[in-house]
Amino acid sequence: AQSVSQHNHHVILSEAASLELGCNYSYGGTVNLFWYVQYPGQHLQLLLKYFSGDPLVKGIKGFEAEFIKSKFSFNLRKPSVQWSDTAEYFCAVILGSSNTGKLIFGQGTTLQVKP
Amino acid sequence: NAGVMQNPRHLVRRRGQEARLRCSPMKGHSHVYWYRQLPEEGLKFMVYLQKENIIDESGMPKERFSAEFPKEGPSILRIQQVVRGDSAAYFCASSPTGSHNTEAFFGQGTRLTVV
Repeated sequence: AQSVSQHNHHVILSEAASLELGCNYSYGGTVNLFWYVQYPGQHLQLLLKYFSGDPLVKGIKGFEAEFIKSKFSFNLRKPSVQWSDTAEYFCAVILGSSNTGKLIFGQGTTLQVKP
Repeated sequence: NAGVMQNPRHLVRRRGQEARLRCSPMKGHSHVYWYRQLPEEGLKFMVYLQKENIIDESGMPKERFSAEFPKEGPSILRIQQVVRGDSAAYFCASSPTGSHNTEAFFGQGTRLTVV
């Protein structure tokens, strides 16, 4: 079955540190890729998405992600985190074969940024 | 333009009672998805509905769970005879289309606690 794996379940960083969260998926066909963020007590918000084109995608709040097709990966990066980036981060895919837009999520990564 | 509205935000039910979760999609969106997030897990797809139709219910438990999206009014996720294992966060998302090239917008979720 198709799945999404996020390798880091809990990450603790100091402010200004660089961030990279791993995301891998298991599916050989075309995928659309997403990173969502959930701040404490709030709804999931879209950080960035990849459908096609340049595999390096820029998102909101200084986040970016790179799609590496050969590695089935879509890792999220930020050069310098802030305390306000403390949140839970979810990687998700929609299979290109999908005609429903159903998202398959990873387990999530909790990021804690220490001031 | 209001976002996806879910209510209630928190719901406590005793074992054996019924839980009704409501979701009003964004204006102009006719596609609704329900996801469940169990403790320490990622979001799992439950059901996808369009107005008056269930399109994909492959993630719904076979018993006690049902969903509807009537012509008028919000989408409802109903859980009959709740058990402790139903305790989770239930998220609704809506999109303007149901294709794989679509972005889903999420509500804040309903946190169900079964005591």
